[in-house]
Amino acid sequence: AQKVTQAQTEISVVEKEDVTLDCVYETRDTTYYLFWYKQPPSGELVFLIRRNSFDEQNEISGRYSWNFQKSTSSFNFTITASQVVDSAVYFCALSDPYNTDKLIFGTGTRLQVFP
Amino acid sequence: DTAVSQTPKYLVTQMGNDKSIKCEQNLGHDTMYWYKQDSKKFLKIMFSYNNKELIINETVPNRFSPKSPDKAHLNLHINSLELGDSAVYFCASSQELAGGPQRDTQYFGPGTRLTVL
Repeated sequence: AQKVTQAQTEISVVEKEDVTLDCVYETRDTTYYLFWYKQPPSGELVFLIRRNSFDEQNEISGRYSWNFQKSTSSFNFTITASQVVDSAVYFCALSDPYNTDKLIFGTGTRLQVFP
Repeated sequence: DTAVSQTPKYLVTQMGNDKSIKCEQNLGHDTMYWYKQDSKKFLKIMFSYNNKELIINETVPNRFSPKSPDKAHLNLHINSLELGDSAVYFCASSQELAGGPQRDTQYFGPGTRLTVL
């Protein structure tokens, strides 16, 4: 069965600190995608990144970076120099490519960045 | 331009009523989804439609009936609303990638917060 685990339910940091959100997944598929979505207090789900299971290169986008390691089935997300606007719930998700790519979400990590 | 839109944004109703939530996407995608987010923020797929055909029905009570009049629209009708139906319902859409079967990223609508009193 496919599963996504986000063990950190809530993280609090002070502005400018770096923070890493953990994501561990389980799947028997060899082809899959991993995602991160952001849900700010306004409630919408904002797509952040999609990573193919065959591409283990780390990715950096501004203050955001992602570390994908198949050996440990992890897809961790780091925010460098966090800002108050980063406060949100962050979801890691795994797609099921043989079932219309339905997304299997983790339980989310609530990040609070204090000024 | 709104890519995936939902109406209404908020819906408050009494137990036992029937209500609908509408979703439209202008991305030209061929697949649309409904997800439910419960009070603990847990997100779970309910349905997916591909080119107006139901593909996924994830053990959702048959009081929930999705309807797709065309591939740009996927509506969710709920009969005999119960307290436990209170949640945020998200619509999403995606497009099959060339070569299939995988699809491109799912983009979500703003959500509809349903409160059943």
